[in-house]
Amino acid sequence: EPEVTQTPSHQVTQMGQEVILRCVPISNHLYFYWYRQILGQKVEFLVSFYNNEISEKSEIFDDQFSVERPDGSNFTLKIRSTKLEDSAMYFCATRSGQAYQPQHFGDGTRLSIL
Amino acid sequence: KQEVTQIPAALSVPEGENLVLNCSFTDSAIYNLQWFRQDPGKGLTSLLLIQSSQREQTSGRLNASLDKSSGRSTLYIAASQPGDSATYLCAVEDSGTYKYIFGTGTRLKVLA
Repeated sequence: EPEVTQTPSHQVTQMGQEVILRCVPISNHLYFYWYRQILGQKVEFLVSFYNNEISEKSEIFDDQFSVERPDGSNFTLKIRSTKLEDSAMYFCATRSGQAYQPQHFGDGTRLSIL
Repeated sequence: KQEVTQIPAALSVPEGENLVLNCSFTDSAIYNLQWFRQDPGKGLTSLLLIQSSQREQTSGRLNASLDKSSGRSTLYIAASQPGDSATYLCAVEDSGTYKYIFGTGTRLKVLA
């Protein structure tokens, strides 16, 4: 069965550095999402992306964050000037354009900010 | 604003018991409802998806029901096993934006 692939599985970064989290969607999926889960807390929506633009973003997704699909395959989440509180598991999800189909989640990237 | 609540927060049962996990949501305008399993430090494993027009879905020992009008879903696990120990998450898909809103989960421990 096709899978959503996320890389890296674990990223350790110094505070203040920039990180890029990568996601390879399932082929022919059209809708892309990023979620995050801080340790011990619930999974929270960050942003949705369709037709090369942001469809919706949460209040968490401020100017520090950006998303793009630069080459038509990878879907990336960039976090500029990372802070300690950015430490979390980040999940990518993708969905086809067909009605009532679920989002498919990747295994996540664990981001640790030191 | 949609809010998703899961009760109980934690549950410990002896092996072999049948159990019910509850999920409630405040806005009935949902597209899908999905149940996930999450092992510690791991990703989300999809268990069951219920479309908004459906009442229930079954997979093996799992059965999920949906009552959209009352804002409730239950996940029934039959004949629980130690391997079922995990956190179970309920997520509703907003019908306007298609984003998922997750509950805080039920942490299940099945004792051998």
